[in-house]
Amino acid sequence: AQSVTQPDIHITVSEGASLELRCNYSYGATPYLFWYVQSPGQGLQLLLKYFSGDTLVQGIKGFEAEFKRSQSSFNLRKPSVHWSDAAEYFCAVGLNDMRFGAGTRLTVKP
Amino acid sequence: NAGVTQTPKFRVLKTGQSMTLLCAQDMNHEYMYWYRQDPGMGLRLIHYSVGEGTTAKGEVPDGYNVSRLKKQNFLLGLESAAPSQTSVYFCASSYSSSGSRETQYFGPGTRLLVL
Repeated sequence: AQSVTQPDIHITVSEGASLELRCNYSYGATPYLFWYVQSPGQGLQLLLKYFSGDTLVQGIKGFEAEFKRSQSSFNLRKPSVHWSDAAEYFCAVGLNDMRFGAGTRLTVKP
Repeated sequence: NAGVTQTPKFRVLKTGQSMTLLCAQDMNHEYMYWYRQDPGMGLRLIHYSVGEGTTAKGEVPDGYNVSRLKKQNFLLGLESAAPSQTSVYFCASSYSSSGSRETQYFGPGTRLLVL
């Protein structure tokens, strides 16, 4: 069955520390891959997406993600987290339709 | 350019009442979607539309109906609300016919509480 998994429900990092949010998928073929961010009380905003080509994708707000076919993963990273990055992050995968992961809530400690 | 807007922002219903959620987009997008967001479950697709006058079921369509009479509007109806429909509802739109490849643009959400 097609699925997308975000193993971490909640992550806390200190401001200035690095961040990695995990996303794994299970699809018959390589799907299109997305990361969205949802700030409190807001809708979702696209951070970055991967269709093909270079497996390291740059997005907005200093985020990047790496596609690893062998691991069926598309992890989101940021070298230095800012307090304003506190939000919920959703991985999404699409082939014939779009499926969202359950989300990872990021808390940033001062 | 307002993007995607949703009306209302918050609503409380009693079991059995009906209501309609309105989504409007000003980006001339062909595709529009209704999702519900529940804790620990991410977003789940309720219904979607690939163009004016056409709608289709998503992952969790039961208890909901939709209409797309105008390209810019997508309505989500609850005919007889149930407590299980307490959720946050998001509308989204995207540009082209490659539905799952395209970036979706989201509205701010409608929080619905059914008592």
